[in-house]
Amino acid sequence: QQQVKQSPQSLIVQKGGISIINCAYENTAFDYFPWYQQFPGKGPALLIAIRPDVSEKKEGRFTISFNKSAKQFSLHIMDSQPGDSATYFCAASMQLDTGRRALTFGSGTRLQVQP
Amino acid sequence: DAGVIQSPRHEVTEMGQEVTLRCKPISGHDYLFWYRQTMMRGLELLIYFNNNVPIDDSGMPEDRFSAKMPNASFSTLKIQPSEPRDSAVYFCASSPPGHLPYEQYFGPGTRLTVT
Repeated sequence: QQQVKQSPQSLIVQKGGISIINCAYENTAFDYFPWYQQFPGKGPALLIAIRPDVSEKKEGRFTISFNKSAKQFSLHIMDSQPGDSATYFCAASMQLDTGRRALTFGSGTRLQVQP
Repeated sequence: DAGVIQSPRHEVTEMGQEVTLRCKPISGHDYLFWYRQTMMRGLELLIYFNNNVPIDDSGMPEDRFSAKMPNASFSTLKIQPSEPRDSAVYFCASSPPGHLPYEQYFGPGTRLTVT
């Protein structure tokens, strides 16, 4: 119930195109949905996050779309650039009990933006 | 500002040896997390600390793994004895006081290879 399923596993997009990565969850106790970006040889870095009471959040070329009824959320990268080539992880956070929270990561999507 | 510092960056050891991974969180951060990343299992939370106290170690795979945080600026993850299946990238992350539930700052990771 704490799993977050992410697809696709890999994605190739042409420069200027739109990259779309999807995630789905089961547990309605999740209350935050962040996305992390990881470049080779680096640790993941927080990119953008959304709460379930918001349907969309945009920061620059990055947009999260959230469908609460379907328990799905997605990351859209507009005008994709070669510098966006990285692995993207969706995640979901929930309160377990007093003082404890869990952050569950999806399996990751390796994005390659071709020039 | 320096980010999370991990050492060593790469470690190659033989099965049965003791391995110690080190982490220095960002100054002022009061949460520290240890993760393991593999192709098969993705990013897994092993243990996390709040104010140097272990809060949740349910992700520690077995008794061969132990973690300590003797002070606010240093933590270790020890594997004794190590096994080939422990080969992975180990990340340390930290969070500041009053952080958002998903706001974690990751170090560059330690790539462990056990032969």
